[in-house]
Amino acid sequence: AQTVTQSQPEMSVQEAETVTLSCTYDTSESDYYLFWYKQPPSRQMILVIRQEAYKQQNATENRFSVNFQKAAKSFSLKISDSQLGDAAMYFCAYRSRTAKISSGSARQLTFGSGTQLTVLP
Amino acid sequence: DGGITQSPKYLFRKEGQNVTLSCEQNLNHDAMYWYRQDPGQGLRLIYYSQIVNDFQKGDIAEGYSVSREKKESFPLTVTSAQKNPTAFYLCASSIRQNTGELFFGEGSRLTVL
Repeated sequence: AQTVTQSQPEMSVQEAETVTLSCTYDTSESDYYLFWYKQPPSRQMILVIRQEAYKQQNATENRFSVNFQKAAKSFSLKISDSQLGDAAMYFCAYRSRTAKISSGSARQLTFGSGTQLTVLP
Repeated sequence: DGGITQSPKYLFRKEGQNVTLSCEQNLNHDAMYWYRQDPGQGLRLIYYSQIVNDFQKGDIAEGYSVSREKKESFPLTVTSAQKNPTAFYLCASSIRQNTGELFFGEGSRLTVL
C-alpha cells in the first residue's frame, strides 16, 4: 500500500519570502500522479499543482513549483513570493495511474497528514 | 458554474439519529467519493462510486451508507452505528476513476450532541 508522509506539521514564512514544504511517499509502482492540495480556513480543498511521474520536468504553476525526485520518492512544494492568502493547510497526495480500477490501490487519493502554513506580514 | 455542492454546511445530530449529507455535481464526472477529515489528520476514504448504481467501501465505511441512483448525486448517510461521527465530510468527483485529480466540494461539518 502507498503511504504519504509530511514531516512538517507546521511551517511559517515571511510575506514575500520563499518556503518549501516537504513530502515523501512510498510506492512500488512506476506510474502515478502526485498532487499538492491547499485547504484554506474555508475548508474547501483546492488543487495547487500536479505532477505525473513519467514526466521528468518539474511542474510549475505561477508562484508554485515542485521538486520531484522520483528515485528518492520525494515531492516538495516551493512557494515563491509568499502572500497572506497562501496561509492554509497543505496536503500532499498520491494516486496510482496504472493500477486496475478493480484493485484497492486504484480507488483513491492517499493523503499525507498535512502542513499548516502561516504567512507572517 | 460547474462544481460540487454539498449540503448542509453545518449539521447537528442527536445520538442515535441517522443523518444524510447531500453531494451534487454538474461536472459530468463519472466517479464520486466521500472523505472524512478529523482535526490534524489527512483525509480518509469512506465510500467511492465509479458509475451509477455501483459503489465500493473505502477504508472507514463502517457506520456509513451511500447510494448512486443518478450520475450527479452521491448522498452519504451517517447511521447510528457510526461510533464517532463528529467530523468534517468532503465530497469529491473525478472524470473517471484512476485518472487525474479530484475536485472537492466545500464540505459538511457534522456535530453529534
